Amino acid sequence: KAGVTQTPRYLIKTRGQQVTLSCSPISGHRSVSWYQQTPGQGLQFLFEYFSETQRNKGNFPGRFSGRQFSNSRSEMNVSTLELGDSALYLCASSPPGTAYEQYFGPGTRLTVT
Amino acid sequence: KNEVEQSPQNLTAQEGEFITINCSYSVGISALHWLQQHPGGGIVSLFMLSSGKKKHGRLIATINIQEKHSSLHITASHPRDSAVYICAVSRGGATNKLIFGTGTLLAVQP
Repeated sequence: KAGVTQTPRYLIKTRGQQVTLSCSPISGHRSVSWYQQTPGQGLQFLFEYFSETQRNKGNFPGRFSGRQFSNSRSEMNVSTLELGDSALYLCASSPPGTAYEQYFGPGTRLTVT
Repeated sequence: KNEVEQSPQNLTAQEGEFITINCSYSVGISALHWLQQHPGGGIVSLFMLSSGKKKHGRLIATINIQEKHSSLHITASHPRDSAVYICAVSRGGATNKLIFGTGTLLAVQP
């Protein structure tokens, strides 16, 4: 089975712009979670989608949003980018159910200048 | 206080040494995860456990639910084990959300 894929892998944006990141889960996995990793804050949960519904949301401003499509692929969007949004954005997929092992994608490295 | 605490934050070992990384948590959990991240790399799940002990090759993970504590052991360490090791917990319910520790940076010198 192919692993979790994320596109693009690297991205450079300017303050004020918006960005969309994509995540394709492992085939059959319906749960997709997004995480932000920064040197200062470490890994933090952004949101989780299951069967096209947001199941949980972390403590991030409304500029961060996401969605999931019927094929379980997920996108996250960050509007009005700030310098502090520079981070590695990781998605992880899980098979149906809860408390299952999560399979992480390689991440998208976003740099905001 | 963080819900998941790891120690030590940094660890340097000589090749062949036995290594232990500790994780304590203060919330109820359904499972505890040990993750590995090489520099510049993605995250790989090493273990997910809710009780007892698991072993995979030279890696051993244990958990004590009563004491809310877990350890990751690496036997016969090798330079390729150099990475950040992250402890995370999932709280169950209708979510796979993970809460992470701050990670332990391990450097194994030849």
